[in-house]
Amino acid sequence: EAQVTQNPRYLITVTGKKLTVTCSQNMNHEYMSWYRQDPGLGLRQIYYSMNVEVTDKGDVPEGYKVSRKEKRNFPLILESPSPNQTSLYFCASSLSSGGLSYNSPLHFGNGTRLTVT
Amino acid sequence: RKEVEQDPGPFNVPEGATVAFNCTYSNSASQSFFWYRQDCRKEPKLLMSVYSSGNEDGRFTAQLNRASQYISLLIRDSKLSDSATYLCVVTGSARQLTFGSGTQLTVLP
Repeated sequence: EAQVTQNPRYLITVTGKKLTVTCSQNMNHEYMSWYRQDPGLGLRQIYYSMNVEVTDKGDVPEGYKVSRKEKRNFPLILESPSPNQTSLYFCASSLSSGGLSYNSPLHFGNGTRLTVT
Repeated sequence: RKEVEQDPGPFNVPEGATVAFNCTYSNSASQSFFWYRQDCRKEPKLLMSVYSSGNEDGRFTAQLNRASQYISLLIRDSKLSDSATYLCVVTGSARQLTFGSGTQLTVLP
């Protein structure tokens, strides 16, 4: 089954303890991206990647890192999490390296709910 | 002013009603437009693309008005299963992608 898989689904951690949220897609998609969703603010892009070893900042990259060493994986790293990073996170992918377009819909993972205390 | 704005609702409508949402965007160079549906605490899923000529998919009709810079979504004969949050998404140049904050719809029995 074609899908984007995120792990873990739920994570509670403490301030400053490094964590990684994994994201993997099995559709051979070029483009992958991370979003956070907060009430009243909608989905905001953190980082995106157009291909292996190509990553770029989105709208809210501060406090996050990513890597794209393989086409299928795009982990999100929080080196020193803080309470303001408590949020619902989504990974997404699309076929085209240009991201979302009429011929290249965005497919989302089922989300990671992160709480930082 | 936000780049993409939606009325957050909530819209509470009876089953069978017709309901319409609008979404305005500020960048006149925006290139493509979509409606996504998001159920509570779940991932967004593509509902439909919005083309310049307008398009229909069953009970759903989407329209684009470039002159006034808004897109709309019309749902006819609302079902209980239509209850969700509807997100508009606008793409621009340089791979810019902007989500609206969503409109919440509840269809009541």
